[in-house]
Amino acid sequence: GENVEQHPSTLSVQEGDSAVIKCTYSDSASNYFPWYKQELGKRPQLIIDIRSNVGEKKDQRIAVTLNKTAKHFSLHITETQPEDSAVYFCAAIRGDYKLSFGAGTTVTVRA
Amino acid sequence: DSGVTQTPKHLITATGQRVTLRCSPRSGDLSVYWYQQSLDQGLQFLIQYYNGEERAKGNILERFSAQQFPDLHSELNLSSLELGDSALYFCASSVRQGADTDTQYFGPGTRLTVL
Repeated sequence: GENVEQHPSTLSVQEGDSAVIKCTYSDSASNYFPWYKQELGKRPQLIIDIRSNVGEKKDQRIAVTLNKTAKHFSLHITETQPEDSAVYFCAAIRGDYKLSFGAGTTVTVRA
Repeated sequence: DSGVTQTPKHLITATGQRVTLRCSPRSGDLSVYWYQQSLDQGLQFLIQYYNGEERAKGNILERFSAQQFPDLHSELNLSSLELGDSALYFCASSVRQGADTDTQYFGPGTRLTVL
């Protein structure tokens, strides 16, 4: 089955700096890669996603890049703010309904 | 608020017992997904239903079962509970059946504590 590895498990950045989280997947049939943000005690919320036919996608301070050959995708947060502090999960999904999530990255933005 | 509702919010029970968790999807969504989130683990996909039928299975134990009713709400049944079943259980919903085509909207979760 699909195996998604997410690094780092924890990330501490100074406010205003950038944060990068990387995920690698094993199944080349995966074609959809969402990223979720989960604040303490709250539900996961989709923040950005990318499909296998696209290499990069941006939404304001958030961007995701996908390297299909190397089977990895990354989340980039620029100009981090205290409200970016949360746990971020990546996922790799196949068309035949196989879903796999990374273990999560706890991001702390220091003021 | 995602529009997905889950009840109850909290559930405390004893080992060996059986519980039922309930989820109502967003209006118009036909797919329901169930996830388990333990303290030291990420999100584990359990099972997906689409329009009343089971669509995909993940790491769901045999002691667990689910169903989706004609009104599209779903229930997750957990039996012979063990201490290790203590976790946050989320459901999510989406419009279509393909997990690779639609955004999933998560409910607020049910926190299960097994004593």
